[in-house]
Amino acid sequence: QVQLKESGPGLVQPSQTLSLTCTVSGFSLTSNSVSWVRQPPGKGLEWMGAIWSGGSTDYNSALKSRLSISRDTSKSQVFLKMNSLQTEDTAIYFCTRGPDWELDYWGQGVMVTVSS
Amino acid sequence: DTVMTQSPASMSTSVGERVTVNCKASQSVGTVVAWFQQKPGQSPKRLIYLATNRHTGVPDRFTGSGFGRDFTLTISNVEAEDLAVYYCLQYDSIPLTFGSGTKLEIK
Repeated sequence: QVQLKESGPGLVQPSQTLSLTCTVSGFSLTSNSVSWVRQPPGKGLEWMGAIWSGGSTDYNSALKSRLSISRDTSKSQVFLKMNSLQTEDTAIYFCTRGPDWELDYWGQGVMVTVSS
Repeated sequence: DTVMTQSPASMSTSVGERVTVNCKASQSVGTVVAWFQQKPGQSPKRLIYLATNRHTGVPDRFTGSGFGRDFTLTISNVEAEDLAVYYCLQYDSIPLTFGSGTKLEIK
């Protein structure tokens, strides 16, 4: 069955770089896209960006200058890197299958706190 | 960017009632809209895709409708387990954009 699981540090210092990993199973990254979505505490959902089956990427323009999404298809892993973190980047970060599968399955999410 | 204006922000209803959640897109998105349910402490779960299609296993109490700019999620015979925040999403164009969410409370 389709599964996604996020992993990464729970605490990041301001101005540092966030690195997260999404490990997927039940589908191939070479024929499916994966998106990252985040949710600040008590707030709504924000689409951050995606990596497509062919390896190309799209980003939310609000984050594009700080964000990079990549993958290792042999390990079924998708990576998110975002630099220059600020307190407003504190959020739950989710990976999800899509856009081409309309975000049909989601990981459990990983809480990231930006604080010194 | 396509803005999804969602309403109401919150609503309170009783078990067995019918409720509707609305989303209006700032430009036409055809039928490329999905609806999600997020229960407290959980990740979002897709309910509806392509405006009207239920995700596998979603009860037929949940119905999506709309085309172009106006979309609706209807929950019939509300159950206590429907306590959640509901979000719409357009995926017609990049960036994908979500509505601001509707919190459903059960009286």
